[in-house]
Amino acid sequence: NAGVMQNPRHLVRRRGQEARLRCSPMKGHSHVYWYRQLPEEGLKFMVYLQKENIIDESGMPKERFSAEFPKEGPSILRIQQVVRGDSAAYFCASSPLSSTDTQYFGPGTRLTVL
Amino acid sequence: KQEVTQIPAALSVPEGENLVLNCSFTDSAIYNLQWFRQDPGKGLTSLLLIQSSQREQTSGRLNASLDKSSGRSTLYIAASQPGDSATYLCAVRPYNTDKLIFGTGTRLQVFP
Repeated sequence: NAGVMQNPRHLVRRRGQEARLRCSPMKGHSHVYWYRQLPEEGLKFMVYLQKENIIDESGMPKERFSAEFPKEGPSILRIQQVVRGDSAAYFCASSPLSSTDTQYFGPGTRLTVL
Repeated sequence: KQEVTQIPAALSVPEGENLVLNCSFTDSAIYNLQWFRQDPGKGLTSLLLIQSSQREQTSGRLNASLDKSSGRSTLYIAASQPGDSATYLCAVRPYNTDKLIFGTGTRLQVFP
């Protein structure tokens, strides 16, 4: 059973471009979480999704950021018109059920905005 | 608002020592607490998960305890090895939410 997969592992964008980060959860997992780790800071929750539904997006900036988890395919975190402050490591986690289950983390995507 | 603090922020010890890493949280209304390991430039590896009804969990040389009423958890590492060098993160899952709230981590270096 492959773990949580994220791609790309490294992404470089210029200011104003769009960044698309992909996350494939572990097989059998229908809950996906996105976290962001800014340089020298801890991980911060961004958004929690189930298939085709956003459950909690309280940690996601209101502008430029969006997330989806379609019925088929990976979850996508999309950042429009990136700025230097978006440079961070973005981690995806998945779990089979919510609340009491372990969240399994992917290797992360490191976004660098030039 | 739930806040998670980890002390110390960094620790450097010789191989073989027994270590205690501390985690404190401000709101005891949690489902569980989880300890992770993060290697430089890598993702997170789950080490131990303690449900709110449990007092401790053990895996190999690792033992984690939870005192929910006082808002504290400790991760005990026995007979430390250079391969234990990493950043250790604790995270709590508050009631009525599915997100994890992370501490800022303890950066551990074990030298030969």
